[in-house]
Amino acid sequence: QKEVEQNSGPLSVPEGAIASLNCTYSDRGSQSFFWYRQYSGKSPELIMFIYSNGDKEDGRFTAQLNKASQYVSLLIRDSQPSDSATYLCAVRGSGTASKLTFGTGTRLQVTL
Amino acid sequence: SQTIHQWPATLVQPVGSPLSLECTVEGTSNPNLYWYRQAAGRGLQLLFYSVGIGQISSEVPQNLSASRPQDRQFILSSKKLLLSDSGFYLCAWWDTDRDTQYFGPGTRLTVL
Repeated sequence: QKEVEQNSGPLSVPEGAIASLNCTYSDRGSQSFFWYRQYSGKSPELIMFIYSNGDKEDGRFTAQLNKASQYVSLLIRDSQPSDSATYLCAVRGSGTASKLTFGTGTRLQVTL
Repeated sequence: SQTIHQWPATLVQPVGSPLSLECTVEGTSNPNLYWYRQAAGRGLQLLFYSVGIGQISSEVPQNLSASRPQDRQFILSSKKLLLSDSGFYLCAWWDTDRDTQYFGPGTRLTVL
């Protein structure tokens, strides 16, 4: 069973702080890694994806990938109350089909 | 640009009744399409995926079925709903240009 694990939270950070969300995966052959944000009652929206080891930055968001440790993280700088949501980590496995395995998500609360 | 539609947005159905949820994608041809279910407080569970017309792969045995009668149409069905079928049903498509997956707005199904 290919697994993607996340701490369910809630992760509480004050406004303006850095939020760090973590994810581990079991399939060592995984090809690409995705972070989605899901507001309560809404569908997931793609924030970022990363394929290569290292960091990838997009605005206030930075995705970090370490394939040797099978670990991917999402950093949110200058956290805002509007960032309060559940963040889903997803992994595309080593098979040929374009299928993602999702973690159960980490709930982030940004406090005033 | 590509757009994905789902309907209905919400649905309340009695146990034992049939189900038909529809998903259509605009602005792309022959996309990979996916049906997910998200039960309350749970992660995303991949139910079915399709790589083309008439081609359906089932991920989880259950009383649901899927069909793809047209290139950009994906339908989720059931002959008799169970209480456990309640959840948030999400259709998604794979963008091969960006190698990423995008979700539709979802259908919230309550089985009473």
